[in-house]
Amino acid sequence: DQQVKQNSPSLSVQEGRISILNCDYTNSMFDYFLWYKKYPAEGPTFLISISSIKDKNEDGRFTVFLNKSAKHLSLHIVPSQPGDSAVYFCAASASGFNKFYFGSGTKLNVKP
Amino acid sequence: KAGVTQTPRYLIKTRGQQVTLSCSPISGHRSVSWYQQTPGQGLQFLFEYFSETQRNKGNFPGRFSGRQFSNSRSEMNVSTLELGDSALYLCASSYRAGADGELFFGEGSRLTVL
Repeated sequence: DQQVKQNSPSLSVQEGRISILNCDYTNSMFDYFLWYKKYPAEGPTFLISISSIKDKNEDGRFTVFLNKSAKHLSLHIVPSQPGDSAVYFCAASASGFNKFYFGSGTKLNVKP
Repeated sequence: KAGVTQTPRYLIKTRGQQVTLSCSPISGHRSVSWYQQTPGQGLQFLFEYFSETQRNKGNFPGRFSGRQFSNSRSEMNVSTLELGDSALYLCASSYRAGADGELFFGEGSRLTVL
């Protein structure tokens, strides 16, 4: 069962514009969410996280928004840069869970 | 501080063979998790080891197994390889067990089954 879903396999954005990557989850017990970025031939690297006590977390150009009622989170990248072109995975877990549930990833292409 | 190291990076096997992949976690990390990445499926959890004990196992057949050594290094084994086992196998380490904190991933072992 896919408890974390990224329904957009790919996204193309012009350099300098905003990139919005979306993630939906089904398990209302999830209370900790992370975003990872993955370049080809490399392992995923941690980008940003958010816990359910917040609805927004910001780190430089990256902001994650959490809408608990909609079971939806999004990652905003502003402004987008060509170096941001990668696959982005969202992941979710909960206190007491023993693993993270990952989405299928969204491939972001930022065009110069 | 050295990152997570996975060996081998690439390997080709034929159906029916078995394969062993190795993962050395970040120094001081005692938790090692394994994930399978295939196109369109994202990262599927295989298992997690903490202090040499398997704490959790994903929904994979018994052909997939693993172990962890006293130095926290981990190996995973896949026996009787099938074409569908072709994937990128990622190892991740963390200081704490379970999903309590950030995972640090290695670069992965790309397995191709012919």
